[in-house]
Amino acid sequence: DVKVTQSSRYLVKRTGEKVFLECVQDMDHENMFWYRQDPGLGLRLIYFSYDVKMKEKGDIPEGYSVSREKKERFSLILESASTNQTSMYLCASSYSPSTGTRSSYEQYFGPGTRLTVT
Amino acid sequence: QKEVEQNSGPLSVPEGAIASLNCTYSDRGSQSFFWYRQYSGKSPELIMFIYSNGDKEDGRFTAQLNKASQYVSLLIRDSQPSDSATYLCAVNEDNAGKSTFGDGTTLTVKP
Repeated sequence: DVKVTQSSRYLVKRTGEKVFLECVQDMDHENMFWYRQDPGLGLRLIYFSYDVKMKEKGDIPEGYSVSREKKERFSLILESASTNQTSMYLCASSYSPSTGTRSSYEQYFGPGTRLTVT
Repeated sequence: QKEVEQNSGPLSVPEGAIASLNCTYSDRGSQSFFWYRQYSGKSPELIMFIYSNGDKEDGRFTAQLNKASQYVSLLIRDSQPSDSATYLCAVNEDNAGKSTFGDGTTLTVKP
């Protein structure tokens, strides 16, 4: 069974703290993604990675960085958390279009981490 | 203008009715189209994908694609209360693994 796991379901941090959110997938997917989801703003892409050590900025990368040292693990880092980063964070993974069929583009999502920064 | 637009909702239909969810996209190079369902407090899960113009049916769900009009829709026949959720339209450019998501349409099916 396909599985994407995230390190925490709920997290409360203080302003200025460094925050690590981790995501692990067991499907040998090449692509991994970090989104945040806020009411009225939909699902917004923060960063994605198409291979180990490779990353590309999404629509809202400011204030975030990522790390992908192993294929199955993709970490999102908030260098100095701020209250406007309070949100639901969703990780997803998918096959690469270059290795899969078209039906492989679908993304599998983790359960999400609800982060509150106070 | 947002790249992927969905009807704003919320949409409410009685049990047993047809629910129609619509999505338009701006990039003519888009090749892959997905519908995800997201229950309240849960993460999105794929319910349909479509690549070719026309209809694609899977049980009570039908996805319709019209590339000339840059329009994709999802019909849910015999709607059930368990279909109550937010439906997200997602669009991929050709050969791109990255999806652009719409804001979602919230559907409520009333018993």
